Amino acid sequence: DADVTQTPRNRITKTGKRIMLECSQTKGHDRMYWYRQDPGLGLRLIYYSFDVKDINKGEISDGYSVSRQAQAKFSLSLESAIPNQTALYFCATSDFTSDLDTQYFGPGTRLTVL
Amino acid sequence: KQEVTQIPAALSVPEGENLVLNCSFTDSAIYNLQWFRQDPGKGLTSLLLIQSSQREQTSGRLNASLDKSSGRSTLYIAASQPGDSATYLCAVEGGSEKLVFGKGTKLTVNP
Repeated sequence: DADVTQTPRNRITKTGKRIMLECSQTKGHDRMYWYRQDPGLGLRLIYYSFDVKDINKGEISDGYSVSRQAQAKFSLSLESAIPNQTALYFCATSDFTSDLDTQYFGPGTRLTVL
Repeated sequence: KQEVTQIPAALSVPEGENLVLNCSFTDSAIYNLQWFRQDPGKGLTSLLLIQSSQREQTSGRLNASLDKSSGRSTLYIAASQPGDSATYLCAVEGGSEKLVFGKGTKLTVNP
């Protein structure tokens, strides 16, 4: 089984809909991250969490919110989706103390907003 | 603000060739530098992590070097194979403990 899983893997939705992307990990890591990837722009950090009670905005947090329900779960929400949020979304985890903060990525969620 | 640049953006080589991918960063105050591989439509796989105090790391046919003072890293791939075809991403972690990614080098190894 994969260490970092994301659901759904693909989603097509309409402008104005609320969308939640979910991430779960079995690595026991404290740190979790949400990125989006766009052609020509690379990966950009949306939100990150260093433990359950610590959530921080990344480079491009506008239009997004997150919830860290447990150490193993980190969800990303789009309250009112818009077409320019069409992208590939990745969740990642890391552990500073045991693994030098190497980041482990999920398989990604391809989101299309019409 | 940290900026990471990868050159070239794309590279095509024949099988068996040794090759070098380049990564440069603007702020030398980094904690570590990581190289990732991404296959089309898939997630990233960590290849090598070099701590700021290290000069290089090796894993199999891969060797990554770091020159922090000049803001440069290289990823050397020996005896390239078609299975090495992928996009290679460089990322640096600074004092904010967040990764800043380059846009990647798309490598194609032709049989």
